[in-house]
Amino acid sequence: DAMVIQNPRYQVTQFGKPVTLSCSQTLNHNVMYWYQQKSSQAPKLLFHYYDKDFNNEADTPDNFQSRRPNTSFCFLDIRSPGLGDAAMYLCATSRAGLNNQPQHFGDGTRLSIL
Amino acid sequence: AQTVTQSQPEMSVQEAETVTLSCTYDTSESDYYLFWYKQPPSRQMILVIRQEAYKQQNATENRFSVNFQKAAKSFSLKISDSQLGDAAMYFCAYRSAGIGGKSSGDKLTFGTGTRLAVRP
Repeated sequence: DAMVIQNPRYQVTQFGKPVTLSCSQTLNHNVMYWYQQKSSQAPKLLFHYYDKDFNNEADTPDNFQSRRPNTSFCFLDIRSPGLGDAAMYLCATSRAGLNNQPQHFGDGTRLSIL
Repeated sequence: AQTVTQSQPEMSVQEAETVTLSCTYDTSESDYYLFWYKQPPSRQMILVIRQEAYKQQNATENRFSVNFQKAAKSFSLKISDSQLGDAAMYFCAYRSAGIGGKSSGDKLTFGTGTRLAVRP
């Protein structure tokens, strides 16, 4: 089945130690999104890639970066994680321009900071 | 900017009964899309139902239906014959229909969510 896959499901890192979360998709969607979701809150969009074009949200901290080496893969890099960055990180994809087509989400990666 | 409001942080329903989750939104746009997403504990967020603003007919997907009131900017979700597997966080989301180009993609504006408990 076509899907959005996030690895790992759980990630533990140390305060200040860089960490990378990965997302892959088999849907051939041209847009990929990264969200941060804290407990019992709505997902907060960090940035998205429209094809190869990176689009950062205005309030996304500089600590968060992203890479999209090809259509299928997208990475979230946190350069120096702080305790406040502990959260669930959701990857989503969509085929832009297809009107009412929804975003498809991965299972998420739960990040813990020690 | 659009905003989405879910005024019920938590709801509870008896198994087999019907429950309605409320959602209101604010927009100056005339064409847009509305979605309800379900997020079970520690599981993937999945689409429950979608509605195009230009359609007057309310969307229905099996036990799930919406009451879309465009003038009132209201988009409630009705779950009939509730099942234990319906227990989850439900998010209402808004998306503009305009082609915003690469800087906007198909960005969603989410509400704060409603946690639904189903009592056996």
